[in-house]
Amino acid sequence: IAGITQAPTSQILAAGRRMTLRCTQDMRHNAMYWYRQDLGLGLRLIHYSNTAGTTGKGEVPDGYSVSRANTDDFPLTLASAVPSQTSVYFCASKSSTDTQYFGPGTRLTVL
Amino acid sequence: AQSVTQLDSQVPVFEEAPVELRCNYSSSVSVYLFWYVQYPNQGLQLLLKYLSGSTLVKGINGFEAEFNKSQTSFHLRKPSVHISDTAEYFCAVSAGNFNKFYFGSGTKLNVKP
Repeated sequence: IAGITQAPTSQILAAGRRMTLRCTQDMRHNAMYWYRQDLGLGLRLIHYSNTAGTTGKGEVPDGYSVSRANTDDFPLTLASAVPSQTSVYFCASKSSTDTQYFGPGTRLTVL
Repeated sequence: AQSVTQLDSQVPVFEEAPVELRCNYSSSVSVYLFWYVQYPNQGLQLLLKYLSGSTLVKGINGFEAEFNKSQTSFHLRKPSVHISDTAEYFCAVSAGNFNKFYFGSGTKLNVKP
């Protein structure tokens, strides 16, 4: 069982470019989340999805969009990247016992 | 709205000494509380969680935490730390409809030989 996979592992991106971070889980969890981790700020929720076909905004949604076409996949899109979106991005899913499982992260640098 | 405060950004401690990592939260409704550990260049792993019942919660790797509702705290403790406990620790709260999680800013535990 792989759990949660994220791709790419890292990426350097020019400002203004579009980028999609991929997240796939094989645990059949209904709820999924995207966080960004910045030094001294911990993890901040960008978007979440309680079940396939629904999404919601977290603390820092501006500049990001998500979709949830099926249970397994929850991609995060940056429509036009800016340097302030340089961060480490974590995808997570939540079990029925309210435990979150995290992916290994994507390190994104926007120049 | 919910929030989590981890008062100590870094905690240095010698091997085999006890440690306490502090976490305070604010919420006007019932909460679930969590501690996660993050080793370098990895994602977060669950250490322990409080959902209901006994206020003393035991987790993996010898860690435990106590939920104190009157002080709105959920401090993490370990009686004797190992070098391998060196990592960053995050406290998190989920409240209300329990669909969102709020994380503290993290505490870096540095265990010295």
